[in-house]
Formats: sequence, structure tokens, C-alpha cells
Amino acid sequence: EIVMTQSPATLSVSPGERATLSCRASQSVSSRLAWYQQKPGQAPRLLIHSASTRATGIPARFSGSGSGTEFTLSISSLQSEDFAVYYCQQYYHYKTFGQGTKVEIK
Amino acid sequence: EVQLVETGGGLAQPGGSLRLSCAASGFTFRTDWMSWVRQAPGKEPEWVANIKEDGSEDYYVESVRGRFTISRDNTKNSLYLQMNSLRGEDSALYYCARDGDGYANWGQGTLVIVSP
Repeated sequence: EIVMTQSPATLSVSPGERATLSCRASQSVSSRLAWYQQKPGQAPRLLIHSASTRATGIPARFSGSGSGTEFTLSISSLQSEDFAVYYCQQYYHYKTFGQGTKVEIK
Repeated sequence: EVQLVETGGGLAQPGGSLRLSCAASGFTFRTDWMSWVRQAPGKEPEWVANIKEDGSEDYYVESVRGRFTISRDNTKNSLYLQMNSLRGEDSALYYCARDGDGYANWGQGTLVIVSP
């Protein structure tokens, strides 16, 4: 099983600031990596697939980078609606999710 | 508009069974892999199983292999999950999701609680 590890567990950021979230895979997943945003009571929302491609309708302030085992999700200027939990997911071999990073208001 | 609507959740005894259904609309169901993904309260999502477009291949997370069976009926645009020998750790919100490069479409989920 490919284990996905996200850091930090919680990120405290002020509105308007940049947020950088990390995701590490226990073995290479090439670029088969997705990022999701989840708010309470909602299903996860796909933000990024193929490590760096924004999903349909996702604002340009969200960007993804990385390949192999190290990946990053950046949010350039946090808006109020961006405070949520973020998950990475590999789909190289079956599918596994990271444990999540909660982005909270500082 | 893509819609995925799950039904069939509820309370089950340990060792019992449930059958979940997912009604799909707004896309060509028969051309897409489909998945079941579950999420326990306060935990990350967990992929449970997925099935090929024509139903000829299916895959499972180790913890449910041999107990759960995923299936589909392309004539009814429907996805199913037969869950047998249920355990407490199977309690979660179960989502139906359209497979691809990530899950772009999710249902609202159906809640499964396994408890005596």
C-alpha cells in the first residue's frame, strides 16, 4: 500500500496570506496525485489532478506542483472560503488519501 | 449536470449485510470507471472499491476484500455495493464517485452504522 503523509496537520494563516501544504508518498506515484478541499458536511471537492492541473472551475490562486514522492499545494492569497481541510490522494496504484491538513484562520 | 445519489445506508448488526445503491445521471455512465469511497467521522476518505466500465474488472481495499462486492448495471445507470460480514470499523459515510484523474464528482453519501 502506498502511504500518503501530509504536513503540517494544522496550518494557521491570516486572510490574504499564502498557504503551502505538503504531501509525501511512500513510493513514487509519478504525477498521479490529486488534491481535494473539504468543508464540514460536504463531500470533498477536487482542486488539482495530475499533480498540477486545476480541475474545472477552480480559481487560479490554487496551484499544485511536484512529482514522484514530493508534492505541494499552494494557495496564493487565502480567501475566507478557503479555510477548510485539504487532502492529497494518489491514484498510481489503487488509491490512498493523506490524513489531511486543516487550514484555519490565524 | 452530473448527479450521483446514494441510497441504502442504515443501521446494521455486526456480521450483518447492507446493499448500497448509487443512481447516476448527467454523464455517459457506461464509459466511466466508478468507485465507492467511505469516510468515518473526523477521518480522511478511504477508497473502498472500484469497477471498470463494463464490469469486467473490480478492485478492493484489503480490509473489505472477500466481504464487499461492487457491481453495476449500465442499463440502469446504477452502481452497487453489497456489504456482508459487517464490522464496527465499516461504519462511515459511503460515497459513490466517478473515477478518473481524481474524483471530480461525488454523491452526497449514505451513512452506514454497524452497531449491536
